[in-house]
Amino acid sequence: GAVVSQHPSRVICKSGTSVKIECRSLDFQATTMFWYRQFPKQSLMLMATSNEGSKATYEQGVEKDKFLINHASLTLSTLTVTSAHPEDSSFYICSARDLNRGSYEQYFGPGTRLTVT
Amino acid sequence: AQSVSQHNHHVILSEAASLELGCNYSYGGTVNLFWYVQYPGQHLQLLLKYFSGDPLVKGIKGFEAEFIKSKFSFNLRKPSVQWSDTAEYFCAVPGRTARQLTFGSGTQLTVLP
Repeated sequence: GAVVSQHPSRVICKSGTSVKIECRSLDFQATTMFWYRQFPKQSLMLMATSNEGSKATYEQGVEKDKFLINHASLTLSTLTVTSAHPEDSSFYICSARDLNRGSYEQYFGPGTRLTVT
Repeated sequence: AQSVSQHNHHVILSEAASLELGCNYSYGGTVNLFWYVQYPGQHLQLLLKYFSGDPLVKGIKGFEAEFIKSKFSFNLRKPSVQWSDTAEYFCAVPGRTARQLTFGSGTQLTVLP
């Protein structure tokens, strides 16, 4: 149980275009999902907290107009990178909290490798 | 603010060697500590966690960690590593809000066959 999927796993896009990444909890409900960014050989940096039915909460320094987050249902959150630039190339990881488990229990998706050319 | 530091960036061991990865935390609230592992090409998985009680926590795949309050440490240990333990290991603590996690910089473990 407690599986989180992400789609796509890899995406290459041209500079200036937008890319949508989906995060789904497959066998549990998640009122809260988290979006992280991971640079090569570095740790996960929390970008935003996605709340079902309300606006996402962004971490300091993360542009909310550039990284649009929508948490449309208890099993789906999407991250849209708008007007992507090469510096947005990174590994994006989502995680989800199980509604019925402890506060800190998070399950991670496999990540999405974004390359902006 | 809550923070966590991992001292070892890259550790290289031979199979059957013992492992200890350091993790120190700075956290003002109730202590909750985690170790996650990221195998090559796979997603992060929870190895073990400490919330309260016995400070020696046993996790999956033979890993354990000991919470030492006086040292603000939560080091990860395994008596005998295997080649399949090659992965990146992250220590984590609760973040700015109770629902978030803050991760350490990670330790890349390479086990030589």
